[in-house]
Amino acid sequence: GQNIDQPTEMTATEGAIVQINCTYQTSGFNGLFWYQQHAGEAPTFLSYNVLDGLEEKGRFSSFLSRSKGYSYLLLKELQMKDSASYLCAVMDSNYQLIWGAGTKLIIKP
Amino acid sequence: DTEVTQTPKHLVMGMTNKKSLKCEQHMGHRAMYWYKQKAKKPPELMFVYSYEKLSINESVPSRFSPECPNSSLLNLHLHALQPEDSALYLCASSQDQGTSDEQFFGPGTRLTVL
Repeated sequence: GQNIDQPTEMTATEGAIVQINCTYQTSGFNGLFWYQQHAGEAPTFLSYNVLDGLEEKGRFSSFLSRSKGYSYLLLKELQMKDSASYLCAVMDSNYQLIWGAGTKLIIKP
Repeated sequence: DTEVTQTPKHLVMGMTNKKSLKCEQHMGHRAMYWYKQKAKKPPELMFVYSYEKLSINESVPSRFSPECPNSSLLNLHLHALQPEDSALYLCASSQDQGTSDEQFFGPGTRLTVL
């Protein structure tokens, strides 16, 4: 079967750094996406990785290891507005998105 | 214009009502999607349209009926829904289906079935 695991909830302090991990087992792999979703709102695209390594985009970075079936999203200089759910999604061999359950990130002052 | 719009934002309906959700994008995307999302769960794919033709139906009950009148519009017709169908309904679009293009999501319609 297809499976994506990420922690249910994490807490971090404003100004700090947090790493949200995602492990996956899917039928094929055509890239991994990270989306941010604030409560009651639509998911918004953060990053896409298809090759191994680190992709940096401002305060957010995403890492991929295909051999380990592993990715992480790194958020630096945390701000209160970063409180949201972070969804990891893998595009499988049929180019369908397989979604993780999401990690709720709580930022404390 | 990198926006997907959805109307209405909120909808309350009885189990005997008929209503429609609407989605629009003007990015020239050829793939459009309907997702259902329950609280604290990830989005669940319902339907995919590619070049205005239904490409994927994830075994969705017939009380949900999608329609793609043209390349910019996607509707979801609702009839005889159940209370368990209450959820956030998200529309998304991407450049094409069968590629690794990111999906752009609309703000969703919060549906409550009484």
